[in-house]
Parts: sequence; structure tokens; C-alpha cells
Amino acid sequence: EVQLVESGEGLVQPGSSMKLSCVASGFTFSNYGMNWIRQAPKKGLEWIALIYYDSSSKYYADSVKGRFTISRDNSKNTLYLEMNSLRSEDTAMYYCAKDFFDYWGQGVMVTVSS
Amino acid sequence: DVVMTQTPVSLSLAIGQPASISCKSSQSLVHSDGKTYLSWILQRPGQSPKRLIYLVSKLDSGVPDRFSGSGSETEFTLKISRVEAEDLGVYYCWQATHFPHLTFGSGTKLEIK
Repeated sequence: EVQLVESGEGLVQPGSSMKLSCVASGFTFSNYGMNWIRQAPKKGLEWIALIYYDSSSKYYADSVKGRFTISRDNSKNTLYLEMNSLRSEDTAMYYCAKDFFDYWGQGVMVTVSS
Repeated sequence: DVVMTQTPVSLSLAIGQPASISCKSSQSLVHSDGKTYLSWILQRPGQSPKRLIYLVSKLDSGVPDRFSGSGSETEFTLKISRVEAEDLGVYYCWQATHFPHLTFGSGTKLEIK
């Protein structure tokens, strides 16, 4: 059974940093691209970052480019999202999703507020 | 970026009624490889999203066959032949044709009368 389990949720102040993790199981993690998608409270879905199976390419939405970094450790079956210079508008539920969004994690809440 | 426009914004249906949701893209979703990377996702209340349909009309494993997808180029439709209680939630279309700029529709909320 495919499972994606995010961690790292919390409340942080504007301008600070935070790192999310997503541990994968039930499939060969190193064979698939992975994504981060977020959902602001009462809002729709926004794709924010993608990483190739071998980390050879990474892509970002304009809203997070230059502030967020996606990475992975295939030896640990883990996907990461490093978030810097956080803003109030980054407050959202953050989901990791496999490949073409065929599996999603349960999500973690990130709140940016003073 | 490609803009995905969904209609209606919401619909309220009784159990057993059919449902139809439209998704229109601002550009053709036919990829240079000939495939159309248009998918549908359902987010039930309080749950994470779940993919239902990919490549316009292919049902994901375990998705009931009362769901169907159709369309081409810029116009796509998700249909539910007979709505059941478990179908309530928000439906999103999304495209991956114009990779790496992946975009979602704004969502259609299905309520059960």
C-alpha cells in the first residue's frame, strides 16, 4: 500500500524558515518524481514544487521561487521542502504527492503569523 | 500559465441524480507526444485529495464506474451517472500538459440534498 506521511507542521513568524518532510512507502520511491502542493484555508489547490526521480531537475511555482527548495533523499525514501523568508500568504496545508498526483499524503499545516 | 476554468462553482443534487462538471483550459491540453494530461481530483471534507481520472478518461484503480471523463483540446467534462452520498466534496481538474507549470481549476463543490 502506497503511503506518504508528511511532518514538520507548525506556527512560525514571518521571515523565518521551516522544513517539511514526506516519508514514502509502498512503492519504489527512487523511480518517481514527487511534488509539493498547498492549500490555503478555504481555498483551492496550488502546485508549488516538483523534483525528478533522480533530483536532476527541480521546478517551482513563481509564488515560491527563490524562497523554497525541494529536495529528496532516495536512501531514506524521503522528500523535503525547505521554506525560507516565510510570509503570511504561505499559510496553508502542505501536501506531498507522487508522480502525476496519483497518491497524496495527509498534509501538514503551516501557519505564518506574528 | 494555463488557466483552468471550472463550472459550475457548486451544485446540489439528490442521491441518484446525474452530475456534470465542466473544465475549460485557456490553451489546448494536447501534448507534443499526442497525449492529453488532464486529470480530475476529489477532495472529500476533511480529507486529502484523491485522483479519480487521468489522461482525460482513464479511471484510477478503485474508482467506481459511475464516474467518467471526456473531452478534448480545451473542453473537458466529468460526469457521475448516479450521485451517491460518498461523492460529496470538491472536484478539481488539473493539467500537466504544459509542464512544469501544473495548474488546477478553481474547484466545483458537490453537495448532497
